[in-house]
Amino acid sequence: DQQVKQNSPSLSVQEGRISILNCDYTNSMFDYFLWYKKYPAEGPTFLISISSIKDKNEDGRFTVFLNKSAKHLSLHIVPSQPGDSAVYFCAARYNYGQNFVFGPGTRLSVLP
Amino acid sequence: KAGVTQTPRYLIKTRGQQVTLSCSPISGHRSVSWYQQTPGQGLQFLFEYFSETQRNKGNFPGRFSGRQFSNSRSEMNVSTLELGDSALYLCASSSTTGLETQYFGPGTRLLVL
Repeated sequence: DQQVKQNSPSLSVQEGRISILNCDYTNSMFDYFLWYKKYPAEGPTFLISISSIKDKNEDGRFTVFLNKSAKHLSLHIVPSQPGDSAVYFCAARYNYGQNFVFGPGTRLSVLP
Repeated sequence: KAGVTQTPRYLIKTRGQQVTLSCSPISGHRSVSWYQQTPGQGLQFLFEYFSETQRNKGNFPGRFSGRQFSNSRSEMNVSTLELGDSALYLCASSSTTGLETQYFGPGTRLLVL
């Protein structure tokens, strides 16, 4: 039973437009969330995080939104660039010191 | 600062064999976690070591084991390999056991024939 779901295996977006990647979770105890980006033949790279006490966190072109009542978070990339083409993973954890649970990933393709 | 390194990068084994993978964390990091990545499954947590002690463990059979040395380098061992063990094995290090931000290595791709 997947506790962290990314229901879109892939997403294509035009360069310059907004990319929205979604993530749903089932465990209401999750209190800290991360997004990672992964290129082929490389390990995942940390992008942005959000704590459950916030509903938004912004870092440059990347913004993460958290809707706790819906158990949903999303990553917005504005504007999208071809270099953003990668697989994006969301991850969640329910307590300090516990391991993160990862979603299956969404492959983003940004078309020039 | 050098990143997380993993050796070997690629490995081919046959069923029934065993394999040992190595991970060197970022200098100063004391926590090392291991993950298995298979297509469509995301990253499945194997275990985490902190100061040579296993702190967290995922839902994998006992064929998967690990250890951490006093210099924080970690090894992961898989015994009696099965075809389903073919995957990318990633290790990640962080400075504390809180796993606030993990830095991943490039992974070891294991193919079991």
